[in-house]
This record gives sequence, C-alpha cells and structure tokens, in this order.
Amino acid sequence: NAGVTQTPKFQVLKTGQSMTLQCAQDMNHEYMSWYRQDPGMGLRLIHYSVGAGITDQGEVPNGYNVSRSTTEDFPLRLLSAAPSQTSVYFCASSTGQGNTEAFFGQGTRLTVV
Amino acid sequence: TQLLEQSPQFLSIQEGENLTVYCNSSSVFSSLQWYRQEPGEGPVLLVTVVTGGEVKKLKRLTFQFGDARKDSSLHITAAQPGDTGLYLCAGLNTGNQFYFGTGTSLTVIP
Repeated sequence: NAGVTQTPKFQVLKTGQSMTLQCAQDMNHEYMSWYRQDPGMGLRLIHYSVGAGITDQGEVPNGYNVSRSTTEDFPLRLLSAAPSQTSVYFCASSTGQGNTEAFFGQGTRLTVV
Repeated sequence: TQLLEQSPQFLSIQEGENLTVYCNSSSVFSSLQWYRQEPGEGPVLLVTVVTGGEVKKLKRLTFQFGDARKDSSLHITAAQPGDTGLYLCAGLNTGNQFYFGTGTSLTVIP
C-alpha cells in the first residue's frame, strides 16, 4: 500500500519558471491538502480539497493553483516561481470523517534561484 | 495567522532527561493531535486527544488535552536519541480542517 506519493522529491527552478508538483493517494480519501513547511513556521496550508471537483484556498494560496479531477490526484501548480516559494512542500490526505488522521507524502524540496 | 503556538521552538537535552512541549491556542478544537517528523519524511501521527482534560500515554510519552480544549502538552520521560525529531501539534475543527502548530525541534544527545 503506497499511501501518499509525491513527485519529484527535489527540484530547482529559476525565477519565473512554472512547474507542477504531483500528489497521488491510493486510500480513497476525500480530503487532500497541500502545505508548505518553512523553519519556525510549522505547516501552512496552501490549498485543500474536500472531494473531486472541489477545491478551496488555505492560509497562503497566492502563486499556487490546484485542481482535483479525480479522488486520487491533487497536483499543485506554481505559475511563476519566486524565491519566496523556496520551501518544502507536503501533500496530505485524510478521510474527513471523525477525528481523522492526516497521512503525508515524503515531501518535495523546492529551491527557486 | 498561526492559530497554534508551540514552545519551545528548539530543545536540546541529554539522554535520560525529561522534557515538556507546549501547544497553545486561543481557539477551541474538536480534537488535537501530535505528530512526529523525521528528516526527509512527512509527519506521522502519534496520538489524538478528544476530551477536555484527557490524558493519553504512549510508552514514555504522555499527552494531555487542556480542560477548555484550547491547549495541549507532550511530556517525554527519560528521553532517548530515538526521540529526536520535529514535534507538531495539530488542532481539528468541526469541519475536520487541520491547523498545525509552529513545531518543536527536539535533539536528544547520547
């Protein structure tokens, strides 16, 4: 059982480039989320989805887009990378039922130069 | 806006010492979770506390949920090098939305 799979694990971008971070889960979870992790800031929510076709903004959505065409996949798109987007990105999924547990991918370390 | 503040942010102790990490908020949560994250990995759930005043023990780790369901603490007895990692608290609201704390980086020196 793979759980939550993120690709790539590492990425270096030049300022202004665009890219997509991939996230897939095989647990049939309705809830999926993207977080960024910066030193001393914990995990900050970028975008989330409560089911296929439904997405919403989190705490720090600017510069990022998401879509949820299937239950399994929740890609995160950086439209025009900026150095401020240098961070570690985590995708998470959960059932959304009761006191649900969040299952995380291994993260993508992104550097924008 | 960071709803959950953790203290301390960094903690470096000798093997065998005890420690407490705090997670504080002005918001009420339906439940509170603690996660541990190791370098290069995503966070992994340690425990969920639901009832105000609830205490849960996981071997040498003791978790407590505040009476008002706004805060929590994690106490580790006789810390070991294997306890090293980043500890994150997370509050869940009634919509099952997670709010993560600022994190506490623990280093246990052999």
